[in-house]
Amino acid sequence: DADVTQTPRNRITKTGKRIMLECSQTKGHDRMYWYRQDPGLGLRLIYYSFDVKDINKGEISDGYSVSRQAQAKFSLSLESAIPNQTALYFCATSDSPPTQYFGPGTRLLVL
Amino acid sequence: RKEVEQDPGPFNVPEGATVAFNCTYSNSASQSFFWYRQDCRKEPKLLMSVYSSGNEDGRFTAQLNRASQYISLLIRDSKLSDSATYLCVVNTNTGNQFYFGTGTSLTVIP
Repeated sequence: DADVTQTPRNRITKTGKRIMLECSQTKGHDRMYWYRQDPGLGLRLIYYSFDVKDINKGEISDGYSVSRQAQAKFSLSLESAIPNQTALYFCATSDSPPTQYFGPGTRLLVL
Repeated sequence: RKEVEQDPGPFNVPEGATVAFNCTYSNSASQSFFWYRQDCRKEPKLLMSVYSSGNEDGRFTAQLNRASQYISLLIRDSKLSDSATYLCVVNTNTGNQFYFGTGTSLTVIP
């Protein structure tokens, strides 16, 4: 079984809809991250969390929110999706020394 | 200025060739450095960490030059299976965030 899982793997939604992307991990890591990847821009950090009570904005947090429900779960929400949020979204975990482990990604298309 | 910059390529090389990728980073206080590999439409996976003294893993050699803020990856005897995008990744001195280059595309041609 994969150590970091993401659901859904693919999602098509309409502008203005609220959607949630979920991430679970069995690695026992405290640190979790959400990134988006766009062609030519690489991975950009949306939010990160170092434990259940710790949430931090990343480079591009506007339009997104997160929830760290437990050590193993970190969800990303788009409150009102817009087309430029169409991207590939990755969840990742890390421990010390810092090495990141990624989930398989969620492909999101906002129409 | 971007935190991490890479030549996007693409690099198209024949099997057996040696190819080198370069990466520069802007934060002189960066502490940890990595090369990740990403196959098309898949998640990035750790290829190797980069240590100050340089390190080798089979056909792959990574080098770090702190004075020039420069990281390199050398692939010897390229295989078809090496075709992928290679991401340079830097971790800040606080360990809080990872910064990714946009990746360098490699295609190994039969």
